[in-house]
Amino acid sequence: EADIYQTPRYLVIGTGKKITLECSQTMGHDKMYWYQQDPGMELHLIHYSYGVNSTEKGDLSSESTVSRIRTEHFPLTLESARPSHTSQYLCASSDAGTGDEKLFFGSGTQLSVL
Amino acid sequence: GQQVMQIPQYQHVQEGEDFTTYCNSSTTLSNIQWYKQRPGGHPVFLIQLVKSGEVKKQKRLTFQFGEAKKNSSLHITATQTTDVGTYFCAGLFFSNFNKFYFGSGTKLNVKP
Repeated sequence: EADIYQTPRYLVIGTGKKITLECSQTMGHDKMYWYQQDPGMELHLIHYSYGVNSTEKGDLSSESTVSRIRTEHFPLTLESARPSHTSQYLCASSDAGTGDEKLFFGSGTQLSVL
Repeated sequence: GQQVMQIPQYQHVQEGEDFTTYCNSSTTLSNIQWYKQRPGGHPVFLIQLVKSGEVKKQKRLTFQFGEAKKNSSLHITATQTTDVGTYFCAGLFFSNFNKFYFGSGTKLNVKP
């Protein structure tokens, strides 16, 4: 099974709070991704990274920001959470060099902003 | 822009019936992958198809990649309750190897 971890698993916070969703992988993968998914709906790419010090915005506009200071770590930050940010956030990674770039997903963080 | 369309959105079947979900792209794909997401879970990789016309089987699951590499299908023979979940296709395009374009998913419900 894939070694990619997300914390917290569930988070309930009030409007205006700053939050950071953690994502770490121990597989040495260069590529990492953040997806946003509402229950039973499609996955929307919000951020991705090719490697250390590389970050790009995805197809879905998001007020969140990401950083990639270490290969294994790809945290996502919301400076001021709002109810519209309520969703599930899935982190994923893939191995860029193998030609077999399957995505390994973390268990997700279910965020509820009150 | 690049997009992968997936149908149907929902499928309800009786246990033992077959199930098929389809993905389609307007432009040629580099490869296509299939994922399964159980209710409350995260997507899990099932298979990758790379070659034109490729067919792969995993027990009761059959995956196909079209000759033009623009469409793909997943067929499940004789569904079981353990097949319940949402099935997503994800395409990679030649123009951008860094992003997977996910279909909207097909939610499968199997009645015992």
